[in-house]
Amino acid sequence: GQNIDQPTEMTATEGAIVQINCTYQTSGFNGLFWYQQHAGEAPTFLSYNVLDGLEEKGRFSSFLSRSKGYSYLLLKELQMKDSASYLCAVVDSNYQLIWGAGTKLIIKP
Amino acid sequence: DAGITQSPRYKITETGRQVTLMCHQTWSHSYMFWYRQDLGHGLRLIYYSAAADITDKGEVPDGYVVSRSKTENFPLTLESATRSQTSVYFCASSGGETGRDQPQHFGDGTRLSIL
Repeated sequence: GQNIDQPTEMTATEGAIVQINCTYQTSGFNGLFWYQQHAGEAPTFLSYNVLDGLEEKGRFSSFLSRSKGYSYLLLKELQMKDSASYLCAVVDSNYQLIWGAGTKLIIKP
Repeated sequence: DAGITQSPRYKITETGRQVTLMCHQTWSHSYMFWYRQDLGHGLRLIYYSAAADITDKGEVPDGYVVSRSKTENFPLTLESATRSQTSVYFCASSGGETGRDQPQHFGDGTRLSIL
């Protein structure tokens, strides 16, 4: 079966750095998305990786290793507004999007 | 304004009733999707559509019906609602060749409670 694993919950301190991991076992790979979802709101797009390496976008970066079936989202200079769930989603060989259950990130002052 | 809108935002109904959730997008995206989101689960795909008059089942289609007579609209109908269909429903749209090679844009969701 196809599977995406993310930690259920993480806690970090305002101003710090946090890394949210995502490991996947899917039938093939055609890209990986990260979305942010604040409580009670819709998911919003953060990043898309299709090639190995690091993609940086302001305070957020996303890394992909296709050989290891692994990605992470790195959030720097954490702010209280970064408290949210972070969803990892992988596009498989049939171009189906497989969603992880999400990681709830709690930021403490 | 370009965007994707869902209605209603909140709905309470009874088991056995028919319920229709509406979704409208103004981007002219080819692909549209319906998901449900429940605690402990990721987003689960109910149905999707690649173009007007083309729809296909997702992971959890049972008990749901969709149609897409116009590119911009993609309504979801629960023909005879059951308590297990209590959930938050998200509609999304996407461009690109496969609908999964570009980001999906989500509506604000419909919170549906079935008593």
